[in-house]
Amino acid sequence: AQSVTQPDIHITVSEGASLELRCNYSYGATPYLFWYVQSPGQGLQLLLKYFSGDTLVQGIKGFEAEFKRSQSSFNLRKPSVHWSDAAEYFCAVGANFGNEKLTFGTGTRLTIIP
Amino acid sequence: NAGVTQTPKFQVLKTGQSMTLQCAQDMNHNSMYWYRQDPGMGLRLIYYSASEGTTDKGEVPNGYNVSRLNKREFSLRLESAAPSQTSVYFCASSVGTGRGETQYFGPGTRLLVL
Repeated sequence: AQSVTQPDIHITVSEGASLELRCNYSYGATPYLFWYVQSPGQGLQLLLKYFSGDTLVQGIKGFEAEFKRSQSSFNLRKPSVHWSDAAEYFCAVGANFGNEKLTFGTGTRLTIIP
Repeated sequence: NAGVTQTPKFQVLKTGQSMTLQCAQDMNHNSMYWYRQDPGMGLRLIYYSASEGTTDKGEVPNGYNVSRLNKREFSLRLESAAPSQTSVYFCASSVGTGRGETQYFGPGTRLLVL
């Protein structure tokens, strides 16, 4: 069965500093990978997704993620965070089945300090 | 476009009461989903509807029923609410259930069962 691990429950970063959120997945073949963001009191919004091809994926709001098959990872990065990036971030993996088989990680809460 | 809308935003129920959570989308999507979000658990799929007229169980369907009323609307019913159903409920939709299709989420319904 597929699974996703987000090892960091909560991360605090200074505004303007770089950010990396970790995501590790477990799946036998090449997965479909997603990063979603959830602002307080809001639903989830897709930041980016990886299907195949270039392992460095660009998303919205200046985010990018790199798929590393050897490490089973899909870490999310941003070179310089803004106060508006404070939110909860979810990694998700899809498998060979349909879209309904998305498995979400438990999320990483990002706090930005001035 | 309003995207995915959910009503109500908040609800308090007593154990044993019933209620229906409403979801509607105006993106002409074929597929719709109901998730619950619990602290430390990520999102878990309750039910989904791949297309109008079909519904299927997800990971945690017990205690819930769904109705795909038409292409736009997908409701979730709790027949006899239990404290374990205290959660935040999200509805989502996508064009289809193909691998990797983006799911678009509503703002959520916060449910407290006393």
